[in-house]
Amino acid sequence: EVQLVESGGGLIQSGGSLRLSCAASGFTVSSKFMNWIRQAPGKGPEWVSVLYTGGSTYYANSVKGRFTISRDNSKNTLYLQMNSLRAEDTAVYYCATDASHCTRTSCYKWYDLWGQGTLVTVSS
Amino acid sequence: DIQMTQSPSSLSASVGDRVTITCRSSQSIDNFLNWYQQKPGKAPNLLIYAATNLQSGVPSRFSGSGSGTDFTLTISSLQPEDFATYYCQQSYSTPLYTFGQGTKLDIK
Repeated sequence: EVQLVESGGGLIQSGGSLRLSCAASGFTVSSKFMNWIRQAPGKGPEWVSVLYTGGSTYYANSVKGRFTISRDNSKNTLYLQMNSLRAEDTAVYYCATDASHCTRTSCYKWYDLWGQGTLVTVSS
Repeated sequence: DIQMTQSPSSLSASVGDRVTITCRSSQSIDNFLNWYQQKPGKAPNLLIYAATNLQSGVPSRFSGSGSGTDFTLTISSLQPEDFATYYCQQSYSTPLYTFGQGTKLDIK
């Protein structure tokens, strides 16, 4: 079965660190563009970071310099190392894969496979 | 960053109603616009991509339209399982795909 399972969330004090994991099954994480997306309570989803198949990484400005995305191909797992956590980082964190449909002129992308999410609560 | 604004923020409707949700982008995004449905405690699920294309397995009562900065999601005849929150998302600005704030659809 193709799925993503996140873990590692919890309650952490402001300024602390946490590492989230996203275990993939049914495909290899190195073969897909892998994203972290978060959703604060009552808000819309917010893209956090992406790790491309070639190894390039990108971050939202709100987490740049504090969060690091990585993968372990031997464990088929994606990670998000979160340092210097702030109250505004409180959210459900999802990992998700990109999917796309390309025509002759454009490639349209969306988030395809999502995990169930893991809750991170940062107390101030 | 491209901002996405949905209206209304919430909507009450009855089974069988026709419902329209609007999404506006802060700059032109051509037709790089997706719609998702999210139910409580679950991840978002894609309904429509490239503004008008129905994702495989999504009922035909869902449809999308628009281009440039203004987009709509229409549900032609609401079913009980359609009561959920709906989000638009632009995929024009790689890799920062921003979402709208959501439209919560509940039962009147």
